[in-house]
Amino acid sequence: QSALTQPASVSGSPGQSITISCTGTSSDVGGYNYVSWYQQHPGKAPKLMIYEVSNRPSGVPDRFSGSKSGNTASLTISGLQAEDEADYYCSSYTSSSTTGVFGTGTKVTVL
Amino acid sequence: QVQLVESGGGLVKPGGSLRLSCAASGFTFSDYYMSWIRQAPGKGLEWVSYISSSGSTIYYADSVKGRFTISRDNAKNSLYLQMNSLRAEDTAVYYCARESMTTVTTLDYWGQGTLVTVSS
Repeated sequence: QSALTQPASVSGSPGQSITISCTGTSSDVGGYNYVSWYQQHPGKAPKLMIYEVSNRPSGVPDRFSGSKSGNTASLTISGLQAEDEADYYCSSYTSSSTTGVFGTGTKVTVL
Repeated sequence: QVQLVESGGGLVKPGGSLRLSCAASGFTFSDYYMSWIRQAPGKGLEWVSYISSSGSTIYYADSVKGRFTISRDNAKNSLYLQMNSLRAEDTAVYYCARESMTTVTTLDYWGQGTLVTVSS
């Protein structure tokens, strides 16, 4: 099962908006609305930020939003803050496996 | 609050074995599917194994099939991963994670991880 494709890095200044893409196929991202996003700070466990493409768990700031178009899902962080500097991973349900598949990960740098 | 605490990691020689444990609290463990996810140093996340709430359905990634065994003890609120015939490429932080009950392939809580190092 191939990993979903994410850009290696994305950067932005405080207050700006950034978008991270997550590209798959019609067997995963494009075929189902089961895309999740996880935030991981260095040395810490991943934290669920978005599920089912655009839903935020309780406690996640509304600066984080998700969307999908075709085989590509996106995570947008609006009003970028220093604490948003972390690695971000997407994942999706896939018809090719009984589990989900993760993305390659994106390092977000706040300039 | 939901807590997942892994233990059992350490340094092991190639070909050796380790048993990881994950102690769960703050929720009804027997209601949830559970997974083991690993992350090699500086690398991304890999879904290693999952087990259904009753233990009747189990999945393994091809990379560990035949070498790793997942199990659970609902009476002890614990998840396990028996790792045999370990290889250098199994070196990683191993996380246990809870699968959301309300959606698909979504891991809503993660433990802090335990490091497994396979080296001679």
